[in-house]
Amino acid sequence: NAGVTQTPKFQVLKTGQSMTLQCAQDMNHNSMYWYRQDPGMGLRLIYYSASEGTTDKGEVPNGYNVSRLNKREFSLRLESAAPSQTSVYFCASSDPRVEGNYGYTFGSGTRLTVV
Amino acid sequence: LAKTTQPISMDSYEGQEVNITCSHNNIATNDYITWYQQFPSQGPRFIIQGYKTKVTNEVASLFIPADRKSSTLSLPRVSLSDTAVYYCLVGSSSGSGYSSASKIIFGSGTRLSIRP
Repeated sequence: NAGVTQTPKFQVLKTGQSMTLQCAQDMNHNSMYWYRQDPGMGLRLIYYSASEGTTDKGEVPNGYNVSRLNKREFSLRLESAAPSQTSVYFCASSDPRVEGNYGYTFGSGTRLTVV
Repeated sequence: LAKTTQPISMDSYEGQEVNITCSHNNIATNDYITWYQQFPSQGPRFIIQGYKTKVTNEVASLFIPADRKSSTLSLPRVSLSDTAVYYCLVGSSSGSGYSSASKIIFGSGTRLSIRP
């Protein structure tokens, strides 16, 4: 099925460990995004990639790095995990050639706990 | 990007019509108004989008007054399965090329609870 696939679905890290969250989409979308959602809160944009080869900071980029590996894949890396990064991470993609905002498709999320 | 304001939470009962209003006083000329729905442990999904007047689809209706400074999402005859968080977004994509991106900012949304 077409959509956005995120791996892993769950992860527990110790403070200071590093990891990479993977995201892939098969809709030929140009733009991809990483959001985090803390309990009871809305989504906050971490980084986004307008197109292959470009990345830009969102609202809360500190402590994260991203790589737009190719048009399909956009990864999020935590170099030294902190408890404050405990959250659910959502990857999304969109086709900016589509008018308005309805072109967003979200993955099912990665639930990350840092202890 | 236009900031939106919507109620933090709402309660209703099965079979009722629910209207969720969103304020966006600084909406720009080329901005669209879009609503997303999020169930627990899932990513948001698109419900409806509009630019002006009224839009209706199989799930909801969206009412936008002439000044476009607010909008109302209307859910007819809600059921328990409509319990979710609803986000009002305002913004636009350039729609003009591969190098463009629409950077959508989500607020906290409206937590809708439907009771039997």
